Amino acid sequence: DGGITQSPKYLFRKEGQNVTLSCEQNLNHDAMYWYRQDPGQGLRLIYYSQIVNDFQKGDIAEGYSVSREKKESFPLTVTSAQKNPTAFYLCASSDENIQYFGAGTRLSVL
Amino acid sequence: GQSLEQPSEVTAVEGAIVQINCTYQTSGFYGLSWYQQHDGGAPTFLSYNALDGLEETGRFSSFLSRSDSYGYLLLQELQMKDSASYFCAVNRNSGNTPLVFGKGTRLSVIA
Repeated sequence: DGGITQSPKYLFRKEGQNVTLSCEQNLNHDAMYWYRQDPGQGLRLIYYSQIVNDFQKGDIAEGYSVSREKKESFPLTVTSAQKNPTAFYLCASSDENIQYFGAGTRLSVL
Repeated sequence: GQSLEQPSEVTAVEGAIVQINCTYQTSGFYGLSWYQQHDGGAPTFLSYNALDGLEETGRFSSFLSRSDSYGYLLLQELQMKDSASYFCAVNRNSGNTPLVFGKGTRLSVIA
């Protein structure tokens, strides 16, 4: 089955710690995205990549970093500089105007 | 800036019809999309309008008026499983580009 796989489903971060959220797709899509969703809110763009080895900052990139070394993979690191990381993180890839989302990672702070 | 306005909550009776409106103001507009998200789940694509008019997909229809910067999602023959959040989103450019999302409308379907 083709799709987007995010792991882990739940993640806890300690003070001062960096954590990495995984996102893998087997849809052969060039473009991938990371969004953050807070309770009762829409999705806000963190980073996106339209092709391997290239990525662009979104609206709320501060405190986050990404890499795109392979077409299938687009991991997101939440650094210690992100002071309010508790949120639901969604990864997506797109085929023209349609975006396909993973099941998300729920990040909390210990 | 970018802004999309949609009602925060809507309640409707099972079997009825409900319309969720969306007005947008963005720098650049190519099309309007709608996504459904059940609690704790992933958003899933429902419909996309690039041209003015109505697009119908089964029980769901979506409308766009570019001149009014306005669109709506129409859900017919409501079922309990339609209880979810619905997001409008603007495609600012064609092809593989990020979406700008509204804050979502929480639809509750009651018996």
